[in-house]
Amino acid sequence: QITLEESGPTLMKPTQTLTLTCTFSGFSLSTNGVGVGWFRQPPGKALEWLALIYWDDDKRYSPSLDNRLTITRDTSKNQVSLTMTNMDPVDTATYSCAHKIGRGKPFDFWGQGTLVTVSS
Amino acid sequence: DIQLTQSPSFLSASVGDRVTLTCRASENVINYLAWYQQKPGKAPNLLIYAASTLQGGVPSRFSGSGSGTEFTLTISSLQPEDFATYYCQQLSSYPITFGQGTRLDIK
Repeated sequence: QITLEESGPTLMKPTQTLTLTCTFSGFSLSTNGVGVGWFRQPPGKALEWLALIYWDDDKRYSPSLDNRLTITRDTSKNQVSLTMTNMDPVDTATYSCAHKIGRGKPFDFWGQGTLVTVSS
Repeated sequence: DIQLTQSPSFLSASVGDRVTLTCRASENVINYLAWYQQKPGKAPNLLIYAASTLQGGVPSRFSGSGSGTEFTLTISSLQPEDFATYYCQQLSSYPITFGQGTRLDIK
């Protein structure tokens, strides 16, 4: 059974750096084809893809946030982390991680997400 | 970036209705198109991938079709649990993008 769970701060101040961790079970990020992605969804708005890391350490980022994002993995801990610098109130959103197998394939298992609020 | 435009943005329908949601891509995404259902406060749930392949465990009243730039999601007979927001997503090229969503409400 595949599960993913996001963790991290719920309240940030502008200009701070956010670090979120996705802890997963039921699969290994060392397995051929496996990927873990990060997404966000501002309240009442659409889903937005942020970043993705594959089993072979291939990393992809949303160009609109590229210079602010870093995705890393710790295969021994079954964790993927996302760092976003220079947080702003417009970054207030629910942040989620999700699993996929294969490039071009969809995200079939999702965490419940964690709401991050950015406010001074 | 590939833009996905969903229509309609809002749809009111009744239990038992057949509904069709549309997703148009600004470029050819071949068949790298997925549909998700999302209920308030919940994670997205994968319904359809590769434009027309039903994800395991998803009821057969859901179906997808299309290729290239035009895609549809059809629910053959709406059930009470189907009232939700539906998103299409393209995985043909980076950045991965979503449509703005179609909110399906009970009439």
